[in-house]
Amino acid sequence: KAGVTQTPRYLIKTRGQQVTLSCSPISGHRSVSWYQQTPGQGLQFLFEYFSETQRNKGNFPGRFSGRQFSNSRSEMNVSTLELGDSALYLCASSPGTAFYEQYFGPGTRLTVT
Amino acid sequence: KNEVEQSPQNLTAQEGEFITINCSYSVGISALHWLQQHPGGGIVSLFMLSSGKKKHGRLIATINIQEKHSSLHITASHPRDSAVYICAVWGWSNQFYFGTGTSLTVIP
Repeated sequence: KAGVTQTPRYLIKTRGQQVTLSCSPISGHRSVSWYQQTPGQGLQFLFEYFSETQRNKGNFPGRFSGRQFSNSRSEMNVSTLELGDSALYLCASSPGTAFYEQYFGPGTRLTVT
Repeated sequence: KNEVEQSPQNLTAQEGEFITINCSYSVGISALHWLQQHPGGGIVSLFMLSSGKKKHGRLIATINIQEKHSSLHITASHPRDSAVYICAVWGWSNQFYFGTGTSLTVIP
């Protein structure tokens, strides 16, 4: 089976812009979770989608949102970008919910200038 | 206060040594995960535990629910084990909490 893919791999945006990142899970996986990784805060949980519904959410402002499509592909959107949003954004898919083993994608490196 | 604490933060070992990384957590959990992250960012899930002990090859993970503590052991360490090891817990609040990671370097 193909692994989790994320596009784009690298992205440079300007403060105030918005960005959309995409994640394609492993075939058959219905759960997609999103994570932010920064040198200062480490890994942090953003949210989880399961069967097109947001099931769980971390402590991030409303500027961070996502959605999941009927084929389980997921997108994450960040509006009104801030410098502090510069990070590696990882998605992971799971055959069950986020409770279960996570299969991570390679990540999207977002730089906000 | 961090919900998940790992120790040590950095670890250097000679090839062949037995390595232990510790993880303590302060929240109620449904499961604990050990993750491995190599330079470049890719993360691999090593173990998911809710009780007891699991073994994959040279890696062993244990968890003590009563003491809120888990350990990751690497037997006969090898330079390819050099990576950051991250402990994560799935809490009763239905979200992940992550440790800050242990950076392991194994010297040939």
